[in-house]
Order: sequence, then C-alpha cells, then structure tokens
Amino acid sequence: GAVVSQHPSRVICKSGTSVKIECRSLDFQATTMFWYRQFPKQSLMLMATSNEGSKATYEQGVEKDKFLINHASLTLSTLTVTSAHPEDSSFYICSARDPRTQTQYFGPGTRLLVL
Amino acid sequence: LAKTTQPISMDSYEGQEVNITCSHNNIATNDYITWYQQFPSQGPRFIIQGYKTKVTNEVASLFIPADRKSSTLSLPRVSLSDTAVYYCLVGPPGTGKLIFGQGTTLQVKP
Repeated sequence: GAVVSQHPSRVICKSGTSVKIECRSLDFQATTMFWYRQFPKQSLMLMATSNEGSKATYEQGVEKDKFLINHASLTLSTLTVTSAHPEDSSFYICSARDPRTQTQYFGPGTRLLVL
Repeated sequence: LAKTTQPISMDSYEGQEVNITCSHNNIATNDYITWYQQFPSQGPRFIIQGYKTKVTNEVASLFIPADRKSSTLSLPRVSLSDTAVYYCLVGPPGTGKLIFGQGTTLQVKP
C-alpha cells in the first residue's frame, strides 16, 4: 500500500518549547492530510484536517493557536506543538488519503514527551 | 459520520479463524467500510475496505450483508503476531475524515 512517513519518531522536549512534526506522503500527492492524537490505552482522536494551500480545519476542543498546521506542498504537512506542556505528551499520528484508491494511510506516529 | 460498535476484546488461539463483527446501523448510502490494525506505538495499518457483499485480499476477508448495517472482518488462521487492536470505520471515500471508535483488542494465545 501507499506509504506515509513521519519525522521524528520520538522527541523529548522541555516545557515551554515548541516541537515540529513532519508528515510526508511518499508515493502519492495528498491535498488533504489528517492529524490524530492518541493517549495510552485509548483510541485515536482526530485533531485537525490539513488542507494544501489553505487553513487547517480543527476539531472541536482543539486549540488552533497551540497546534499549528502547515500544509505547504502536496506531500508535506507539519504539526507544530507550541509552548508544549506535560499534558501535551502523547502519540501523534498523521494520515493521508491516496487519491488513486481513496484509501487513507497512516504514518508510523511520533511519540512526544514533554518534561 | 456513522458510528460503529465493536466488541471491546476477543481472545483466540493460534491457527483459528477469527471473526470480528462491527455494527454501523446508520451507515449512509455512499459510505464505505474500512478496517485497520494497530500494534502498540505504531500507526494504524490498512487491512481491507469494502462497500457490499464480500471482499477478500491476501490477509483478510470482509463480509457485508445486503442491508450493510454490519460487517465482519475474518482473519484466517491467526498467529501470535495478529495480536493487535482492530478498528472498523465507515465513511464516504471522498472526504477522508475518519472518526475512530474504541476498536477491538484481539489477543491470540499459543
């Protein structure tokens, strides 16, 4: 199937700093990508929809100023967690829809730990 | 977006066939049904997708009755490595927005 990558796979940062996570679709172009967050023993929670060339659409309860999303090209979306705090520690997963099959593929995830 | 209901957990033994059923009573006419597998600390992996009747690929089969209000993922001859969480999702193929339910934790025992 199609491949979606994320970088970094794991990041540890100090409280108050910002962290950027990249999501790339490697063999297809994606006008739309999605960002999810997953806490231990819980399901994935959709945070936002990233639209190439336009503003992201955030789900209810997700702070757009805290989780900045940039979808500057058809193969790259970035999520920046600004002024991170320990409660932002989580597993962040992106996905992209392959237009050839209409199937959504997920990245391997990024483990964020805020100290 | 249609809500799905799955059993929270299932146990099986190596070599057995496992069937996981998902209920989606409010599925819309243009919704597809997609199943994903997730291992700990990994992103979900696409397993299979279908609209009606039966779909089969190299890893699983998906059975969808005529009313489409449920679907069953069938895993033939499971192994220990199939221990994972399985998610059933429904939605139109064009939007791509997928809302995850709680999934089914499958535990395969030796």
